[in-house]
Amino acid sequence: GNSVTQMEGPVTLSEEAFLTINCTYTATGYPSLFWYVQYPGEGLQLLLKATKADDKGSNKGFEATYRKETTSFHLEKGSVQVSDSAVYFCALRPYNTDKLIFGTGTRLQVFP
Amino acid sequence: EAQVTQNPRYLITVTGKKLTVTCSQNMNHEYMSWYRQDPGLGLRQIYYSMNVEVTDKGDVPEGYKVSRKEKRNFPLILESPSPNQTSLYFCASSPLRASYNSPLHFGNGTRLTVT
Repeated sequence: GNSVTQMEGPVTLSEEAFLTINCTYTATGYPSLFWYVQYPGEGLQLLLKATKADDKGSNKGFEATYRKETTSFHLEKGSVQVSDSAVYFCALRPYNTDKLIFGTGTRLQVFP
Repeated sequence: EAQVTQNPRYLITVTGKKLTVTCSQNMNHEYMSWYRQDPGLGLRQIYYSMNVEVTDKGDVPEGYKVSRKEKRNFPLILESPSPNQTSLYFCASSPLRASYNSPLHFGNGTRLTVT
């Protein structure tokens, strides 16, 4: 079946530290991969996406590369800010469907 | 402004008292969906709709109903709420599969407590 596994949080970092949040997936065929972010009290927003192997999605300093050989889509940022504190969800959409399958989310806390 | 609007934001009710959570989108999206978010479980899909008068069960549909009489509205109905339906609920919409990499647009959530 299709599933997404994310590292458990919370991830606690100081401002300007390097961030990695791991995400691996199981899927048949060629899914599309997404990272969504949820700020406190809000709904989820798309952060970045990749639709095929070796694609790199990027936005607001965040990056993730679609690695088919390791079935991974790890989220990285070179220098986090306090305003990046949020819950991050990895998700996949199986090929030719509208269904989005989410991971359990990883809370990021950034301190000054 | 393009948005998905849910109401209410917070709701406390008692077991067995029917309730409806409304969801409306102004982007002319065909696809709409309801999720519940629980600690350690992420987001799980309750129901979805591909277009007017077309609805389908998601992964956790038990205890819920939906309707899609108009394209913009997709209410979630709990006929007889129970405490295990205490959760944070999100409505989401997107264009249909023709551009299947389109992101989901989420509402701000409804926190439901059933006592």
